[in-house]
Amino acid sequence: AIQLTQSPSSLSASLGDRVTITCRASQGISSALAWYQQKPGKAPKLLLYDASSLQSGVPSRFSGSGSGTDFTLTISSLQPEDFATYYCQQFNNFPITFGQGTRLEIK
Amino acid sequence: QVTLRESGPALVKPTQTLTLTCTFSGFSLSTSGMCVSWIRQPPGKALEWLALIDWDDDKYYSTSLKTRLSISKDTSKNQVVLTMTNMDPVDTASYYCARGARDVWVRAPTNFDSWGQGTLVTVSS
Repeated sequence: AIQLTQSPSSLSASLGDRVTITCRASQGISSALAWYQQKPGKAPKLLLYDASSLQSGVPSRFSGSGSGTDFTLTISSLQPEDFATYYCQQFNNFPITFGQGTRLEIK
Repeated sequence: QVTLRESGPALVKPTQTLTLTCTFSGFSLSTSGMCVSWIRQPPGKALEWLALIDWDDDKYYSTSLKTRLSISKDTSKNQVVLTMTNMDPVDTASYYCARGARDVWVRAPTNFDSWGQGTLVTVSS
């Protein structure tokens, strides 16, 4: 199975900060990567798919890049509602796998 | 509007079989490309994909759990059912169903654009 490693595992940042989260795949997955946001007690929400395509309704401060094995999620200017846990997911091969998550906290 | 809702027991005993139902609306699993997956999340831990069934009744399972899992669909009822045998306390988790759309030619896996609220299943005697 393809392993996804996210870094950092946790991150403290302030409102207005620019934040980058990385996701590294154990083998090449082309652009078959999605990013999700999850808040406590809630289901994950799709933010980006195909590595860089913004899901409808998601603010443009979220962006994604990368292909092959290295991917990034960037939030250009943190808003209060962005403090959550973020997961990457690969859909290049079965079994589908998720990263271990990055918890974004308020500094 | 796409909605999904998970239902099933909140508590199961070790060695029992868990049966979860995902009831959805806003799409049909008879439409080419549509699929539904089950994903779980132990308390405080990461997401883990379990199984997927698509419009063509193709089924895929987690490598580590495939001997214990079975996924099926009832297109007329807009439902997907997951069974997991031989439940253990480590299977305690929130279980989610989610919708995806597969490329009908490539048939690669997919991401999930709509999720149910999840149902917490506790395994304890």
